[in-house]
Amino acid sequence: LAKTTQPISMDSYEGQEVNITCSHNNIATNDYITWYQQFPSQGPRFIIQGYKTKVTNEVASLFIPADRKSSTLSLPRVSLSDTAVYYCLVGDSGSGNTPLVFGKGTRLSVIA
Amino acid sequence: DTGVSQDPRHKITKRGQNVTFRCDPISEHNRLYWYRQTLGQGPEFLTYFQNEAQLEKSRLLSDRFSAERPKGSFSTLEIQRTEQGDSAMYLCASSPDGFSTDTQYFGPGTRLTVL
Repeated sequence: LAKTTQPISMDSYEGQEVNITCSHNNIATNDYITWYQQFPSQGPRFIIQGYKTKVTNEVASLFIPADRKSSTLSLPRVSLSDTAVYYCLVGDSGSGNTPLVFGKGTRLSVIA
Repeated sequence: DTGVSQDPRHKITKRGQNVTFRCDPISEHNRLYWYRQTLGQGPEFLTYFQNEAQLEKSRLLSDRFSAERPKGSFSTLEIQRTEQGDSAMYLCASSPDGFSTDTQYFGPGTRLTVL
């Protein structure tokens, strides 16, 4: 499985756009990139998944450059409720086929 | 609420006691996973089931741990002779048939404290 590197923590003010970048230099051809969000005392929650270019849903956008060696999760206009840990996962199954491999994630703190 | 439930939500026990946790996955999901999460770390895989068959076990799953999924529905995770190092959040997740783009849906977890 491709190893991922992401910042340990980030701070942002409410209303700002937050971009969290994940490096995955050894990503394989059939690997998907998946992001999960985890609030304190809750299980992780799927946010978004992509393979290349750009994916957007009601929660976030995921930008993946052509070489796919990194990806950026973009959260528009964050609020206090977006304070959470965000995990970047890379694997050949996206998420459904095999056990997920989590790193330490990025702890986002949103400040009023 | 993802539809995956876990019971109990919290468990405090004394070292050496046995504990059992239960997970009820989303009803139509064939795959069920157990993870363990300690403070400041991401979840770590323990074991998973395809229906009632236990397909893989992590090295983290010592012989004091056992998991079952009778009839392919709910699952139980038992820890025998608990140790202080077993204190963690135990998470259960389920997914449908296991296609590459399926996501895993996590329960709220059971927080275990071993005194």
